Amino acid sequence: EVQLVESGGGLIQPGESLRLSCEVSGFSVSVNYMSWVRQSPGKGLEWVSVMYTGGETYFADSVRGRFTIARDNSKNTVFLQMNNLRIDDTAVYYCVRVMRVSAAGFYWFDPWGQGTLVTVSS
Amino acid sequence: SSELTQDPVVSVALGQTVRITCQGDSLSLYYASWYQQRPGQAPALVIYGKNDRPSGIPPRFSASTSGDTASLTITGAQAEDEADYYCSSRDSSGDLWVFGGGTKLTVL
Repeated sequence: EVQLVESGGGLIQPGESLRLSCEVSGFSVSVNYMSWVRQSPGKGLEWVSVMYTGGETYFADSVRGRFTIARDNSKNTVFLQMNNLRIDDTAVYYCVRVMRVSAAGFYWFDPWGQGTLVTVSS
Repeated sequence: SSELTQDPVVSVALGQTVRITCQGDSLSLYYASWYQQRPGQAPALVIYGKNDRPSGIPPRFSASTSGDTASLTITGAQAEDEADYYCSSRDSSGDLWVFGGGTKLTVL
């Protein structure tokens, strides 16, 4: 069964750091694009970051320079390291696989984890 | 970076047809994918590719694209279709992704 399980969320103060984990079963993170998407309370979805199979990483403007994404192939786990957290980083963070048929311009997110809540507050 | 624009609220009478649109420059380069999110749940894929449905998504859901506008159509809306719907595509830059602001669908 394909499953993504996020963990690591919690209450944290502005300026501090937090690392989210996404444990994957049913497929290998090393041969898939993996991404993080977040949703602030009552708001819409916001794409955060992606890691390609070759290790290249990209970030939304709102988190670039503060967040990093990594993976541990031996644990089949993806991580989101979040530094210098701000109040507006408060959100549920979802781990997702990026499916693609690149030549056709098809990209989609599936499946999604259940999400982990990060609350940044003083 | 690119933006995708959706109408914030759309309503449809039970059993009728509704179209949810998503407009953005990136849609002339990449196809949109569509996600349904019910309250308290994670988003779930409903349409990908040109017009493909994951297993378990009923055939009343379909999609189309014209120029820079993608559309999700629900033919014969059911009460359980009441949810938030989001479109997404790869950004025009090619290495980022973007979501629309979401459309809250009410089934009357």
